[in-house]
Amino acid sequence: GENVEQHPSTLSVQEGDSAVIKCTYSDSASNYFPWYKQELGKGPQLIIDIRSNVGEKKDQRIAVTLNKTAKHFSLHITETQPEDSAVYFCAASKVDKLIFGTGTRLQVFP
Amino acid sequence: ETGVTQSPTHLIKTRGQQVTLRCSSQSGHNTVSWYQQALGQGPQFIFQYYREEENGRGNFPPRFSGLQFPNYSSELNVNALELDDSALYLCASSLDSSYNTEAFFGQGTRLTVV
Repeated sequence: GENVEQHPSTLSVQEGDSAVIKCTYSDSASNYFPWYKQELGKGPQLIIDIRSNVGEKKDQRIAVTLNKTAKHFSLHITETQPEDSAVYFCAASKVDKLIFGTGTRLQVFP
Repeated sequence: ETGVTQSPTHLIKTRGQQVTLRCSSQSGHNTVSWYQQALGQGPQFIFQYYREEENGRGNFPPRFSGLQFPNYSSELNVNALELDDSALYLCASSLDSSYNTEAFFGQGTRLTVV
């Protein structure tokens, strides 16, 4: 089947701490893994992505890691700020579609 | 460069009615995908249009249909609306039809069926 599991569903951190969101996918043929940030009343915004030929990618405070063997990929946000508060979605590509996780609500407290 | 725009932003319809949602793709993008996002859930793939042809479909009934125009803008049509069709409808455009290509989303249309 096709499934992307995402954990945790909610995450609360203190400003300056790190946040980690984990996803697991089921289809070994998936080879593109984007992460989206969705703020209230807005559409998802692509924040970082990784392809299956790369194990890690970093963009300033955001990094994504991929373990193809275990079919796991994770989003790491360092030095969190209140404006990082949003719902984050992982996704995994298949030949004919993009499968999304169920989302993680991140709250960063000042 | 303009982003993905959707209209209308909000819509209320009665069960059994029909609705048309519109999407303008980002400049230079020839592919549009539509997603349904129920409250508290991740987006679910409805279908994709590439160069005016349907190019992939998710697990949605035939009353969900679409169109893509020569300028690559797109419409999503839903007939015989049901209460469960209430959701945020998102369109995303990309440079090509591969699902390994970055997809950029619009702000969505919030549809409420009463």
